[in-house]
Amino acid sequence: GAVVSQHPSWVICKSGTSVKIECRSLDFQATTMFWYRQFPKQSLMLMATSNEGSKATYEQGVEKDKFLINHASLTLSTLTVTSAHPEDSSFYICSADLRGQSTDTQYFGPGTRLTVL
Amino acid sequence: AQSVAQPEDQVNVAEGNPLTVKCTYSVSGNPYLFWYVQYPNRGLQFLLKYITGDNLVKGSYGFEAEFNKSQTSFHLKKPSALVSDSALYFCAVRFNTNAGKSTFGDGTTLTVKP
Repeated sequence: GAVVSQHPSWVICKSGTSVKIECRSLDFQATTMFWYRQFPKQSLMLMATSNEGSKATYEQGVEKDKFLINHASLTLSTLTVTSAHPEDSSFYICSADLRGQSTDTQYFGPGTRLTVL
Repeated sequence: AQSVAQPEDQVNVAEGNPLTVKCTYSVSGNPYLFWYVQYPNRGLQFLLKYITGDNLVKGSYGFEAEFNKSQTSFHLKKPSALVSDSALYFCAVRFNTNAGKSTFGDGTTLTVKP
């Protein structure tokens, strides 16, 4: 149980285009999802907290107009990287909480490798 | 502010030997502590957690960790390492008073040599 999927697993795009990454909780409802980015051999950097039915909460320094987050249902959150540039190339990982259990285990997706040419 | 430290970037052990991956934390209040493992180009997999109760926590794949409140540590251990244990390990702390956000350590790369 508690499986989180991400799609796509990897994507290559041209500079200036937009890319959408989906995060789905497959067998549970997730009130809250988190989006992270990870650089090679580094820790996870929290970008934003995605709450179902409300606006995402962004961490300091993360441009909300560039990284659009939509949490339209209890099983789906999307991250759209708008007008992508090479510096946006990274590994993006989402995680989800079991509904109502914000202090318990986070369940992570497998990650999405974004390469912007 | 809460913080997590993994003092070793790299840990090398021989297969069959015991392994320890260290983690210390600095928080106010009672933390919820986690260990996750990450294989190349994959997301994080949950290993074990400490919420309350017995200080020795047993988790997946034969791993265990001991919560030590006086030393503010939560070291990950395994009695006999396997080559397949080679991966990147993250310690994390979580509070319900921080909107459920987790703070992660910088990670420790474990290499088990045959």
